[in-house]
Amino acid sequence: EPEVTQTPSHQVTQMGQEVILRCVPISNHLYFYWYRQILGQKVEFLVSFYNNEISEKSEIFDDQFSVERPDGSNFTLKIRSTKLEDSAMYFCASTGLASYEQYFGPGTRLTVT
Amino acid sequence: SQQGEEDPQALSIQEGENATMNCSYKTSINNLQWYRQNSGRGLVHLILIRSNEREKHSGRLRVTLDTSKKSSSLLITASRAADTASYFCATGGDYKLSFGAGTTVTVRA
Repeated sequence: EPEVTQTPSHQVTQMGQEVILRCVPISNHLYFYWYRQILGQKVEFLVSFYNNEISEKSEIFDDQFSVERPDGSNFTLKIRSTKLEDSAMYFCASTGLASYEQYFGPGTRLTVT
Repeated sequence: SQQGEEDPQALSIQEGENATMNCSYKTSINNLQWYRQNSGRGLVHLILIRSNEREKHSGRLRVTLDTSKKSSSLLITASRAADTASYFCATGGDYKLSFGAGTTVTVRA
């Protein structure tokens, strides 16, 4: 069964450093998403991406964040200058056309020290 | 915000018993979804119910939707140890989902 994959599974970085989280969505999906979950809190929407542009973004997704689909398979989230409060699990998800069901990857645990 | 909020926050049941959790939301919806999250893992889609549906079944799962009360319930029948997880309702449109805080279900052997 096709699945969304994410790398790395765990990333440790120092405050102020740039990180890139990578995702490979399901191959025939067209909508891509990033969510985050701070430990013990609810899953929060960050951004959605369709047709090579951002469809919607939340207040969390400020100028420090960017997304890119550099080729036909990868979808990346970049945090330009990490802060302590960026420590969280980051989940990538994708959806096919005419479907509301989102398929989530296993997540990347980001730890900012 | 369309966010769903689940109730109870936590539930502990014996294997074989049924587990029921509820979700309330604030605005009009086209559909409502339920997801499961095992500890430290990604979310898995369980079931989607459309706004014109009142009840839906999938295996041991039964979901109801009452749009007049802006609420939904998820029933897991004949629970198993493998059902131990957090369960979230989610509402939203094409471009995002809004999740509630979830119900943590523990199934004791």
